[in-house]
Amino acid sequence: EVQLVESGGDLVQPGGSLRLSCAASGFTVSSSYMSWVRQAPGKGLEWVSAFYSGGTTYYADSVKGRFTISRDTSENTLYLQMNSLRADDTAVYYCARQIGRSTTFDYWGQGTLVTVSS
Amino acid sequence: DIQMTQSPSSLSASVGDRVTITCRASQSISSALNWYQQKPGKPPNLLIYAASSLQSGVPSRFSGSGSGRDFTLTISGLQPEDFASYYCQQSYTTPTFGGGTKVEIK
Repeated sequence: EVQLVESGGDLVQPGGSLRLSCAASGFTVSSSYMSWVRQAPGKGLEWVSAFYSGGTTYYADSVKGRFTISRDTSENTLYLQMNSLRADDTAVYYCARQIGRSTTFDYWGQGTLVTVSS
Repeated sequence: DIQMTQSPSSLSASVGDRVTITCRASQSISSALNWYQQKPGKPPNLLIYAASSLQSGVPSRFSGSGSGRDFTLTISGLQPEDFASYYCQQSYTTPTFGGGTKVEIK
C-alpha cells in the first residue's frame, strides 16, 4: 500500500528555517516523480517544488532561491528545506506522488502545518 | 504560468442533484486536466485525470469532459459524501490549480 507521511511542520519566526520530511512506503522515491504542494489556511492549492527521478528539480517562482527539495533514497524520504521564511509561506504542506512522468498527483500525504509568525 | 479559472466558487445543491463545475485555462492545455476532491482537514483526492479518465476506485457518478481551454466536472446524482471542495489542475506545464468550488448542502 502506498503511503506518504509528512513531518517537520512547526511555528517559526519570519526569516527562520525549517526542514520538512515525507517518508514514503509502498513504492520507491528514487524511481518516482514527487512534489510538494501547499495550501494556505482557507485557500486553494499551490504547487511548490518537484523532484524528478533523474535528479532534476523544479521550483515555483514564489519559493525559488529560498526552498530546496532533496531526497534520501536509503531512507525512501523526500525533503523540503525552507529558508528565509515569510508570513505568506504559512500553509499546510503536502507531499504528493506523480503518475509516471506526468504532473498528475495520485497519492498525497496528510500534510504538515507550517506557521510563520512572530 | 497557465491560469486556471473555476466557476462557480461555491454552490448549494441537494442529494440526488446533477452538479456541473467548469474550469477554463488561460491557454490551450489539450486534455491535460485533472480534478480533485478535498474534504475539510484531508488531502486532495484524485477523481479524474486526462480530462475524462476516471481514477481507480472513484464512483462512476463522477465524469469529466472537455479539451483545449474549457473543461467540466459533472456529478450525476449527488451523494451526502460528495459535499466537499473540488479543484481542477492543469498538467500541461508547471502545475497550477483552479481556485476551487465548494459544494454545500442546500
